[in-house]
Amino acid sequence: DSGVTQTPKHLITATGQRVTLRCSPRSGDLSVYWYQQSLDQGLQFLIQYYNGEERAKGNILERFSAQQFPDLHSELNLSSLELGDSALYFCASSVGGYDSPVGYTFGSGTRLTVV
Amino acid sequence: TQLLEQSPQFLSIQEGENLTVYCNSSSVFSSLQWYRQEPGEGPVLLVTVVTGGEVKKLKRLTFQFGDARKDSSLHITAAQPGDTGLYLCAGRSNTGFQKLVFGTGTRLLVSP
Repeated sequence: DSGVTQTPKHLITATGQRVTLRCSPRSGDLSVYWYQQSLDQGLQFLIQYYNGEERAKGNILERFSAQQFPDLHSELNLSSLELGDSALYFCASSVGGYDSPVGYTFGSGTRLTVV
Repeated sequence: TQLLEQSPQFLSIQEGENLTVYCNSSSVFSSLQWYRQEPGEGPVLLVTVVTGGEVKKLKRLTFQFGDARKDSSLHITAAQPGDTGLYLCAGRSNTGFQKLVFGTGTRLLVSP
């Protein structure tokens, strides 16, 4: 158990639908990062939040959005889903935001299948 | 966009063999990390290297950061089936917001 909790573990939904992925960071970590992992694209950075504020955006589609709540848990919302959105979605957390070389602690991921 | 290319992409070896995985970029990184990911799990941090030329050892794994901080290598001595997994290098940008950029990955299979 890494200390980062992601739910649900698996999600199957139809095209055009909307889903919400949830992440609870490791205790004490202020930063939450969302990554998408697919076979042909590797691990792609989507977005980062630090202590409730958005800090950086990566290759995140406009159909996707995220937020971090006061208790530091985060949610990634995916809407108007397409077949190509099928992937593993990982949440990671770290103590700092950007100015230290500490590593990230990853959750076990949510496997999203769009049919 | 900073890119980290890993080679080889796939490696299938027998238990007891040695191997080296490479991670290369044209960009300079302030630090570089190596992760191992097993099926159905998230990546797990193995090591962080910060100084150019730095070498770190973790049991049978040896990590090196290039002098110019643009590349890194992971050497495994006497590989075991338990080393099987996806190895990812990840570099932290040297400028601006220092998010982690992940490499393309090396999938290692060690057979008994």
